[in-house]
Amino acid sequence: DVQMTQSPSYLAASPGESVSISCKASKSISNYLAWYQQKPGEAYKLLIYSGSTLQSGTPSRFSGSGSGTDFTLTIRSLEPEDFGLYYCQQYYEKPNTFGAGTKLELK
Amino acid sequence: QVQLKESGPGLVQPSETLSLTCTVSGFSLTSYGVNWVRQPPGKGLEWMGTIWNDGSTDYNSALKSRLSISRDTSKSQVFLKMNSLQTEDTAIYLCARDHYYSGFDYWGQGVMVTVSS
Repeated sequence: DVQMTQSPSYLAASPGESVSISCKASKSISNYLAWYQQKPGEAYKLLIYSGSTLQSGTPSRFSGSGSGTDFTLTIRSLEPEDFGLYYCQQYYEKPNTFGAGTKLELK
Repeated sequence: QVQLKESGPGLVQPSETLSLTCTVSGFSLTSYGVNWVRQPPGKGLEWMGTIWNDGSTDYNSALKSRLSISRDTSKSQVFLKMNSLQTEDTAIYLCARDHYYSGFDYWGQGVMVTVSS
């Protein structure tokens, strides 16, 4: 199985700051990577797919980059509603596998 | 709008079979695949399997011998059955719509299943 290593596991930031979350795959997955956001009491939300394509409705302050084994989710100018959990997922091969998650908290 | 909702028993006895239903609305099961994913307490997400729009299925090989996913298109429902449950199967079980083989674009809220005697 493709292992997805996500870092950091915890991140504290203030509104207006920019943050980046890393996701590394144990083998090349081309750009077959998605990013999700999850907030307490809410369903998971697809933010980005194909490594860098914003899902409809995802604010433009979110961006994704990378290919092969190294990927980054960047959030520019954090808004209060951006705090929550973030996960990466590879869908290059079965089984789809997820990163362990990054908790983004308000500093 | 697109919605998915999981339902099923909250408590299952060890060695018994888990049966869950994902009821969808806002789209057709003949147009989109639906995935099952689970998350044990304090642990990461595990993809369990997919039923595709044509009715074919893919399973996580780690669960394949115990898992079955089926559907009733007339009722817009997808079913998960997993046998020989153990305590390590305690988890939140979620269903999610497949986004054209590029991630999962809509998720249910999940249902907590506890395996305990």
